[in-house]
Amino acid sequence: DAGVTQSPTHLIKTRGQQVTLRCSPKSGHDTVSWYQQALGQGPQFIFQYYEEEERQRGNFPDRFSGHQFPNYSSELNVNALLLGDSALYLCASSLRGGNNEKLFFGSGTQLSVL
Amino acid sequence: GQQVMQIPQYQHVQEGEDFTTYCNSSTTLSNIQWYKQRPGGHPVFLIQLVKSGEVKKQKRLTFQFGEAKKNSSLHITATQTTDVGTYFCAAYKAAGNKLTFGGGTRVLVKP
Repeated sequence: DAGVTQSPTHLIKTRGQQVTLRCSPKSGHDTVSWYQQALGQGPQFIFQYYEEEERQRGNFPDRFSGHQFPNYSSELNVNALLLGDSALYLCASSLRGGNNEKLFFGSGTQLSVL
Repeated sequence: GQQVMQIPQYQHVQEGEDFTTYCNSSTTLSNIQWYKQRPGGHPVFLIQLVKSGEVKKQKRLTFQFGEAKKNSSLHITATQTTDVGTYFCAAYKAAGNKLTFGGGTRVLVKP
């Protein structure tokens, strides 16, 4: 039973570039949430995808966008990268994404923006 | 801003001692979850509390949900080096699907 998988594990970009991060949810899960975790901070909610639509969004600019595919996998895209976008990006999956669901996290993508 | 606040931010504990970390909210929570993140790792779900005043135990860990459902605590007895990591509480707003995390309590264990 595969858990949540994310790729790549590490990524180095320069300011102004664009990046795409990928996530495959745990088997049987249909909901994907993305979080940004800066060093020494708690995870900050970016958005959640369910049934291929963005269902809820946190306080992140439009430079952050996403997509969910029919197989429930998801992508996070960040345009016009800023130094402050350097962080660990975590993907979490759940079933239906209800407000009592526990989240299963992937190992994350460590993004460094130079 | 964050929905839940955690204190302390750091906890240095002598191996074998007990400690408690706290999670507070200004609003009533429908439920609260706790996660543990080992250094270099990702958050792992520990437990969920739903009922007012609920207490749950996992070996040396005791989790409690306040009577007003605005606060929660995690108490660890006889701390071991395996307890090192950051403990996060997280909560859903009453009418949303967004799980909001606190800032975490970073636990260091002195052997």
